[in-house]
Amino acid sequence: KAGVTQTPRYLIKTRGQQVTLSCSPISGHRSVSWYQQTPGQGLQFLFEYFSETQRNKGNFPGRFSGRQFSNSRSEMNVSTLELGDSALYLCASSFRAGGVENEQFFGPGTRLTVL
Amino acid sequence: GESVGLHLPTLSVQEGDNSIINCAYSNSASDYFIWYKQESGKGPQFIIDIRSNMDKRQGQRVTVLLNKTVKHLSLQIAATQPGDSAVYFCAEKTGANSKLTFGKGITLSVRP
Repeated sequence: KAGVTQTPRYLIKTRGQQVTLSCSPISGHRSVSWYQQTPGQGLQFLFEYFSETQRNKGNFPGRFSGRQFSNSRSEMNVSTLELGDSALYLCASSFRAGGVENEQFFGPGTRLTVL
Repeated sequence: GESVGLHLPTLSVQEGDNSIINCAYSNSASDYFIWYKQESGKGPQFIIDIRSNMDKRQGQRVTVLLNKTVKHLSLQIAATQPGDSAVYFCAEKTGANSKLTFGKGITLSVRP
């Protein structure tokens, strides 16, 4: 079974630009969560999508948004990029059954550098 | 607020020895705990999990212990190998909420 895939793996942008990152979950997984990882703040939860609906959101500004498609693939968008948005963005997918979520499997991440 | 923290930033062990990585959490409502391993250039890899109705769970060469009284979680790795060198994170969540709260991470270095 293929793992979680994220594209692109590396991205360089300049301040003020916007960026879209993509995540394909493991087949059969309908829950997708996004995390930001930085050396200073560690891993921080951005948001979670399930069945095309955002179920939970972390403490990030509105510049960070996401969506999920009917095939469970998810995208996240960051507008008006700031230097502090440079980070590894991780996507995780999981299988929900009976309202209970099971373990989350992470993708390799997208390394975003904002210049 | 809720937080999950690790006691030490780095741990160096001799190959073949057992490793113990500790983690403290503050949210008494947390009911699911996970240990992840992250190697350079990769995303976190699931190691083992434990639910709050358990005190101990064993996997292959790994054991997780949960002490709810003192809100402490530990990961024990038996016969540590060079391939175990990585950053280890503990994480917790509550109920059906998918949000994982991660600790800062501890680097495990295995000496040959």
